[in-house]
Amino acid sequence: AQSVTQPDARVTVSEGASLQLRCKYSYSATPYLFWYVQYPRQGLQLLLKYYSGDPVVQGVNGFEAEFSKSNSSFHLRKASVHWSDSAVYFCAASSGSWQLIFGSGTQLTVMP
Amino acid sequence: GPKVLQIPSHQIIDMGQMVTLNCDPVSNHLYFYWYKQILGQQMEFLVNFYNGKVMEKSKLFKDQFSVERPDGSYFTLKIQPTALEDSAVYFCASSLGQNAETLYFGSGTRLTVL
Repeated sequence: AQSVTQPDARVTVSEGASLQLRCKYSYSATPYLFWYVQYPRQGLQLLLKYYSGDPVVQGVNGFEAEFSKSNSSFHLRKASVHWSDSAVYFCAASSGSWQLIFGSGTQLTVMP
Repeated sequence: GPKVLQIPSHQIIDMGQMVTLNCDPVSNHLYFYWYKQILGQQMEFLVNFYNGKVMEKSKLFKDQFSVERPDGSYFTLKIQPTALEDSAVYFCASSLGQNAETLYFGSGTRLTVL
């Protein structure tokens, strides 16, 4: 069955530190991959997406993600986090249509 | 940017009663969705709605669930009667086309069934 796994429910980092949020997928073929962010009391916002080509994709606010077919992963990274990055981050996948399968989310807390 | 609005953010209801969750989608969007997230679990697809009809629904979309968008107003999810296991956060989304990258999500309505 298709699935998306985010193994870390909570991540805490200090402001200015680098960040990696992990995401692994299980699909019969390479899916389209997405990262969303949800700030408190707001809807999910699309950070970045991967369809094909360069495995490193750039998103908004300095985020990037790297696709790895061999590892079935799509990890999110940021070189230097800011306190305003504190939010819940969701990894999601789609087989090409509108239907998204989500991971359970990672709560990121950035300590000042 | 475009926003999908869900009001209220939290609803509390007694088991067996009816509840209607309201969603105000992006104005020119044509496709509408509901997702359900039980605390600590993945957000899961419930239903996709287009041109006045349910296009696709998941196993989670029980017979007690219904959706409609009368006269182009709110896109609603009705649960009648509610059960304890319906307690979750329900996210509405809308899109212009039928592809995931154009989805806009609301901030969710937390439904608590007592």
